[in-house]
Amino acid sequence: SQQGEEDPQALSIQEGENATMNCSYKTSINNLQWYRQNSGRGLVHLILIRSNEREKHSGRLRVTLDTSKKSSSLLITASRAADTASYFCATVGGTSYGKLTFGQGTILTVHP
Amino acid sequence: GAGVSQTPSNKVTEKGKYVELRCDPISGHTALYWYRQSLGQGPEFLIYFQGTGAADDSGLPNDRFFAVRPEGSVSTLKIQRTERGDSAVYLCASSAGGTSGRAGEQFFGPGTRLTVL
Repeated sequence: SQQGEEDPQALSIQEGENATMNCSYKTSINNLQWYRQNSGRGLVHLILIRSNEREKHSGRLRVTLDTSKKSSSLLITASRAADTASYFCATVGGTSYGKLTFGQGTILTVHP
Repeated sequence: GAGVSQTPSNKVTEKGKYVELRCDPISGHTALYWYRQSLGQGPEFLIYFQGTGAADDSGLPNDRFFAVRPEGSVSTLKIQRTERGDSAVYLCASSAGGTSGRAGEQFFGPGTRLTVL
């Protein structure tokens, strides 16, 4: 079963704009990860944030985590056409062995 | 180095047939995972191996599904008496793992698209 929900389901923006995607989950977690999927490169890991962290940056990516609200957001700044893909959040539960529980994803389209 | 590879990339079979899907993880990765992804959905966990043993098979939908990893490297997902509802992309992932189970990044293969007619 899916862990959580992502919002929005689809997002369409112009190149250079920022894109924000949100993820909610239901159970306690050890960490939360974001992945990108497109037809050319399959599913690729972007960033991991642990349950005791609140914010993390990697290049043009910024992830926040609010464990009290069981939610996370992914911000992509200065988007590029190459960022067009589906983005998934995935959680690792506190008692699991690292299996990922994915959300349903956000389809991002960046228009050049 | 080489990433995770999966064969075949596409498999078309008839209802009731048996299929095997293969995964070659990144060399040295002790943890191996199988997921299944239906169109428009996120991947769903099937089974996790730490070394040769299945540490968690809670995601296998029923006893028609079975997976092995006899030497702690290559894994095979086996589906008996396939049904049309088994049609999906089957993804394999590996990670450095570790018995502590505090998983980090997983590296995914390109997937096997299974179509059951």
